[in-house]
Amino acid sequence: NAGVTQTPKFQVLKTGQSMTLQCAQDMNHNSMYWYRQDPGMGLRLIYYSASEGTTDKGEVPNGYNVSRLNKREFSLRLESAAPSQTSVYFCASRPGAGRKPQHFGDGTRLSIL
Amino acid sequence: TQLLEQSPQFLSIQEGENLTVYCNSSSVFSSLQWYRQEPGEGPVLLVTVVTGGEVKKLKRLTFQFGDARKDSSLHITAAQPGDTGLYLCAGLYVNNQFYFGTGTSLTVIP
Repeated sequence: NAGVTQTPKFQVLKTGQSMTLQCAQDMNHNSMYWYRQDPGMGLRLIYYSASEGTTDKGEVPNGYNVSRLNKREFSLRLESAAPSQTSVYFCASRPGAGRKPQHFGDGTRLSIL
Repeated sequence: TQLLEQSPQFLSIQEGENLTVYCNSSSVFSSLQWYRQEPGEGPVLLVTVVTGGEVKKLKRLTFQFGDARKDSSLHITAAQPGDTGLYLCAGLYVNNQFYFGTGTSLTVIP
């Protein structure tokens, strides 16, 4: 079972470049999330989509945009990358609201020089 | 500022020892989850605790949710090298979003 698939797995960018991180889930989940993980800070929510057609800001949205393309796909875009955005990015999905757990992809390791 | 603080941040112990990881907050959560993450992979759910005072056991792992639903602990008995990993707590907050703790990196030495 694929679950949550993230592409690419690794990326190096120069300051000011743009790129889009892709995420797709095959579990028919309504809600999807983008997190960044930095040492000593756990995971911090960037943006989320509670259902197809909706997106909302999380804790650290500055410098990012998202698109919920359809129920399966949720992309994260960096318009003008900055070194402070060097991180590991995780996409997650879950069936809906409430206590149901999130299912995570394996992450995208992004370095910005 | 983090909504959930975990301690310790790093833990290195010998195989067979016991350990406890703490997840603390000044905020109330409707439920709390514990995840384990291995290098190069995303977090994987271990358990969800919902009721204040609830205790759940998963083989050698014991999870407890505080009576006031502001804190939780994970106790591992007779740790094994396979327990090595990053342990994360995540609380479901009033805004229906999960907030993650700062993480505890555990190394069990054979």
